[in-house]
Amino acid sequence: SQQGEEDPQALSIQEGENATMNCSYKTSINNLQWYRQNSGRGLVHLILIRSNEREKHSGRLRVTLDTSKKSSSLLITASRAADTASYFCATDRGSGAGSYQLTFGKGTKLSVIP
Amino acid sequence: DAGVIQSPRHEVTEMGQEVTLRCKPISGHNSLFWYRQTMMRGLELLIYFNNNVPIDDSGMPEDRFSAKMPNASFSTLKIQPSEPRDSAVYFCATAVMGGARQPQHFGDGTRLSIL
Repeated sequence: SQQGEEDPQALSIQEGENATMNCSYKTSINNLQWYRQNSGRGLVHLILIRSNEREKHSGRLRVTLDTSKKSSSLLITASRAADTASYFCATDRGSGAGSYQLTFGKGTKLSVIP
Repeated sequence: DAGVIQSPRHEVTEMGQEVTLRCKPISGHNSLFWYRQTMMRGLELLIYFNNNVPIDDSGMPEDRFSAKMPNASFSTLKIQPSEPRDSAVYFCATAVMGGARQPQHFGDGTRLSIL
């Protein structure tokens, strides 16, 4: 089944450094979304990038999408301790049955050390 | 906007007991999803409602699980009888429409422990 898989599984950086997380998926998509989950909380939507877009920015977040490689990356610039969380990519199923469904990866656990 | 509200936040009960999880969606959102999150399996979709109608319940693990959405303001997920392997965090999420093409808004989940 189609699934986004994040890499690395865990990442530890110093405050102020940039953090890059990657996501790979298997079949064609309409869009890819990134979510953040703080410990003990629900997922929070960060950014949605459509299949015809290559790059998108939101504040300190930069997302790229390469549909030829079936991969995406999330860059967090000038990281802060408050960015410590798990980050998930989620993909849809393109068209047809189940196209409403998002499939989430297992996430990258980011730790930002003050 | 109060966001998606789930209750209870934590539930500890003994196996065999009935468990009911509740969700109040964001007003105006007509897509509602129930997910289960575990370390081993990650986030799994259990059931999807659109305009209060169950569209896909293929992710519901067994007949012990049931979900209802009697109106646009309320949904429940029930497990009867509960088993230790049902222990997980259960999330409710809602979207304006067409779930996968719009951001989903998650509640803070119910952490369920079955002893």
